[in-house]
Amino acid sequence: DARVTQTPRHKVTEMGQEVTMRCQPILGHNTVFWYRQTMMQGLELLAYFRNRAPLDDSGMPKDRFSAEMPDATLATLKIQPSEPRDSAVYFCASGLRQAYAETQYFGPGTRLLVL
Amino acid sequence: GNSVTQMEGPVTLSEEAFLTINCTYTATGYPSLFWYVQYPGEGLQLLLKATKADDKGSNKGFEATYRKETTSFHLEKGSVQVSDSAVYFCALSDRDGGSQGNLIFGKGTKLSVKP
Repeated sequence: DARVTQTPRHKVTEMGQEVTMRCQPILGHNTVFWYRQTMMQGLELLAYFRNRAPLDDSGMPKDRFSAEMPDATLATLKIQPSEPRDSAVYFCASGLRQAYAETQYFGPGTRLLVL
Repeated sequence: GNSVTQMEGPVTLSEEAFLTINCTYTATGYPSLFWYVQYPGEGLQLLLKATKADDKGSNKGFEATYRKETTSFHLEKGSVQVSDSAVYFCALSDRDGGSQGNLIFGKGTKLSVKP
């Protein structure tokens, strides 16, 4: 049963610290998405990659967030420096681009708390 | 632009009650439509989907029919169980409408089922 994995599952850090979240997409999927979920804003798309190339990161605060995909099995989302308003659940999802619909498969999320 | 509107929750039902969660959409192309479910502490999971008008998606007793004339994709279940308690998200993927096939999510509807 192929799944998207994310590490860490939980992270508590202090304001100003760097946070790195990792995602392993499902093998064979060519698209990776990063989302952020909060009570106030709901589910927000931060960035996504296709065939490891960044296609859109307009949802990310550029000054502190960065997303990379160093190889097909790893995607990373970094926050430096972190701020309390970054506290949220961050989801990675992967998908396979097909003709009519792209079903996305979500990981369990990284629950981030910035103090 | 593309958008999804779903009924606000929370929705509270007794076990074995009939469930309807309304979802309407706006899209410039010909979207595919999805329902995702998020159980407490987990990521989103695909519940069902429909890729063209009049298609019916179904899974685990849930159904939704793609209605192009009313731009709707309402989720229904004839008899809910306590284990159906979760947040339900309606989403669309519109390859031809400018969203590049990415998912546009509604805000989610929380369902609580009481024994």
